[in-house]
Amino acid sequence: GAVVSQHPSRVICKSGTSVKIECRSLDFQATTMFWYRQFPKQSLMLMATSNEGSKATYEQGVEKDKFLINHASLTLSTLTVTSAHPEDSSFYICSARDRTSPYEQYFGPGTRLTVT
Amino acid sequence: GQNIDQPTEMTATEGAIVQINCTYQTSGFNGLFWYQQHAGEAPTFLSYNVLDGLEEKGRFSSFLSRSKGYSYLLLKELQMKDSASYLCAVMGGTASKLTFGTGTRLQVTL
Repeated sequence: GAVVSQHPSRVICKSGTSVKIECRSLDFQATTMFWYRQFPKQSLMLMATSNEGSKATYEQGVEKDKFLINHASLTLSTLTVTSAHPEDSSFYICSARDRTSPYEQYFGPGTRLTVT
Repeated sequence: GQNIDQPTEMTATEGAIVQINCTYQTSGFNGLFWYQQHAGEAPTFLSYNVLDGLEEKGRFSSFLSRSKGYSYLLLKELQMKDSASYLCAVMGGTASKLTFGTGTRLQVTL
């Protein structure tokens, strides 16, 4: 149980285009999902907290107009990187919290984004 | 705010025991997590401590002292596959967010 999927696993896009990453909880309902970014040899940095049916809460320094987050249902959150630039190339990981277990987060397999 | 410190790198021999330390300063505390992460993969859950003391789970154990803001992850009978990054993360504040330390890259050698 407690499986989180991400799609796509890898994506290459051209500078200036937008990319959408999906995060799904497959066998549980997630009222809260989290989006992280990880640069090579660095730890995970929280970008935003996504709550179902409400606006996402962004961490300091993260541009909400550039990283659009939508959490339309209890099993799906999406992150759209708009007008991507090479410096946005990174490993994006989502996690989901089961509504019945307030503290544990289940991580997705991650999405490797490369902007050329 | 949150401040979490771990050693950057450690090396240990196959079959040995290694202890990875983590110190933290946080506003609000709802528990401390340890995750294992292999290169290019997402973190996998190892342990969760919310009360002081030692939690043992097979070859892995985790210890917490809330008064000292200190935790460690103990890995016994090291195997080559244990070569990975080990992330200490603290849950605190509103929304129970996880704040990760920089991670410790462990290299297990023959």
